[in-house]
Amino acid sequence: AQKITQTQPGMFVQEKEAVTLDCTYDTSDPSYGLFWYKQPSSGEMIFLIYQGSYDQQNATEGRYSLNFQKARKSANLVISASQLGDSAMYFCAMREPTITQGGSEKLVFGKGTKLTVNP
Amino acid sequence: DTGVSQNPRHKITKRGQNVTFRCDPISEHNRLYWYRQTLGQGPEFLTYFQNEAQLEKSRLLSDRFSAERPKGSFSTLEIQRTEQGDSAMYLCASSSLKTGRGQQFFGPGTRLTVL
Repeated sequence: AQKITQTQPGMFVQEKEAVTLDCTYDTSDPSYGLFWYKQPSSGEMIFLIYQGSYDQQNATEGRYSLNFQKARKSANLVISASQLGDSAMYFCAMREPTITQGGSEKLVFGKGTKLTVNP
Repeated sequence: DTGVSQNPRHKITKRGQNVTFRCDPISEHNRLYWYRQTLGQGPEFLTYFQNEAQLEKSRLLSDRFSAERPKGSFSTLEIQRTEQGDSAMYLCASSSLKTGRGQQFFGPGTRLTVL
């Protein structure tokens, strides 16, 4: 069974500084995808960044980058130059096997990390 | 470009009543998912549709829950004889292999409170 672990219930960062949110995962499948979503207080899950298990380079999307260490089974999210609007819950998720392998590609989520950006 | 929409956004009901939620996915997305999120937890998978076919259901989806996606467009999630433990945020998501990395796009959710 797949499992996502986010060990930081809460994190604080000063505006304009960088912050790393931790995520470790456990799977026996060689093909998987890892996602990070942001959930503001409004409740909507906003897609941030994706890393495939076979991707050679770490993913980057604007101020978001993913520190992917496959051997350690970790996929930490790095947010550079934090902004007040970054304050939210952040969820790491893994996509189960692809449809061609008979899976639904449903996401398995961690418990999340609440990020607070201080002015 | 409209995103995923869900209605209602909030629902308060008494224990034992039936409730129905609606999800309208992004129009070209053929895959639709329902998740449930309780306080302090990440979303948990409930069920999955590919077009109009319901292909996977979680064990979380008891007999009181039923979901449909007629004609492969919008989807409904019905909970019969609601219990206080059903209080949660119900999230709908859609995706397509033709879009990006196949990431799921989520709606704003329906927050259910069972009194």
